[in-house]
This record gives sequence, C-alpha cells and structure tokens, in this order.
Amino acid sequence: QVQLVQSGSELKKPGASVKVSCKASGYTFTSYTMNWVRQAPGQGLEWMGWINTNTGNPTYAQGFTGRFVFSLDTSVFTAYLQISSLKAEDTAVYYCAREGPHYAIDSWGQGTLVTVSS
Amino acid sequence: DIVMTQSPDSLAVSLGERATINCKSSQSVLYFSNSKNYLAWFQQKPGQPPNLLIYWASTRESGVPDRFSGSGSGTDFTLTISSLQAEDVAVYYCQQYYSTPRTFGQGTKVEIK
Repeated sequence: QVQLVQSGSELKKPGASVKVSCKASGYTFTSYTMNWVRQAPGQGLEWMGWINTNTGNPTYAQGFTGRFVFSLDTSVFTAYLQISSLKAEDTAVYYCAREGPHYAIDSWGQGTLVTVSS
Repeated sequence: DIVMTQSPDSLAVSLGERATINCKSSQSVLYFSNSKNYLAWFQQKPGQPPNLLIYWASTRESGVPDRFSGSGSGTDFTLTISSLQAEDVAVYYCQQYYSTPRTFGQGTKVEIK
C-alpha cells in the first residue's frame, strides 16, 4: 500500500535551516506529483506547492518562494523540503502528500513538526 | 487564486443525526471537457494527517463509510454525514484541485451535541 514516511520533529533556532524528508513506498515514485502542505498550530491547511517527481520541476505557492526549496532523490524514492533562514512563524507541521491518479491528494505523510525558537 | 469558503466554521450534531457542511469556490471548478468537478473533501482528526474522503466532488474514496457523501457542481458543494458517529468528530476541509495554487477551505469543526 502507498506509504509516505517523514523525518522526525525538529527544534531549530531562528536563522537556521531545516531539511524534512518524505520517503515513499508502495507505488512508482516518479509517477505522481508530491505536494507539500503546512499547518501552523491550531490553524488550517495551507498548500505550499509541489514537485513533479518525473522532471524534478518544483512549483511554489505565493509566500513560499525564496526560503523554501523542494527537491528529490529518486534513487531512494524520497522528496525533501528545505527551509532556510527560519523564523518563529515557520513553526508548523509540514506534510508531504501525494497527488493520486484522480489528481486529488490521496495519501499523506504523518507530518513533521518544525519548531523555531530561541 | 480560487478562494474556498466553508460554512459553518463549526457545528454540533447529535449522534445519529445528519451533519451538513458547505463549501463555495470563488470560481467554477468544473472542467467542461470531462464534466468533472475538481473538488475533494478531507477529514482530519486531532494529531493525525488529513484523510481523503471524497474526490471529483462526489466519488467516495475506497474504504470510506457510505454515510459520507458529496454533492454539488460548479461553485457550490456539500459534504453530508448521514448519521453522525462518535468517530466522525474531526475538522473537515474542502480543496479545489482545478488550478494552482491548490486552495483549501478554512475547515469546519464537527462535534457531538
């Protein structure tokens, strides 16, 4: 079955960087786009963008350009989210989520909590 | 960007009663070439990732109980839980996947009355 397993929680200081991984299994990794979704504490879901797992081409939503980078390592079926120059307002749970054969998101990682605090 | 607006923000329903959540998009998410509405519904329980319930506005994902149903077309959509169960307490989100950015509604919290 489709499974997305993300890396563990991170505690970072302002100005630092973090890299979140999302390892896929149970399907052909390069056949489905990978989305990234942010959920700040007590808030709703915010689409950050996606990466074409076949070409490696990323698309970023407004507000997620510059400090946010999506990347892949197809040899290990893994997608990455890197955030640089972390700010307190980046504190959130970050989800990877597969866009399935019906174009809706059909599978989610368990989420990675990134806490930014001095 | 397509703005998704859900109503109400929260609702309390007695066990076994019907719960209805509305979702309105700022522009149509109906793709005329295939007559499909690019609208999904998700359920999120506390401490868990969201879970896909409905796609194409009305197609139930495999394994989702049939008390969950989706309806609507164009810009107005509804998620109905026909007989609320205790395990349905959650926040529900609609999302359009007609265009980028893929936008979510603000969420509707469903509780037991």
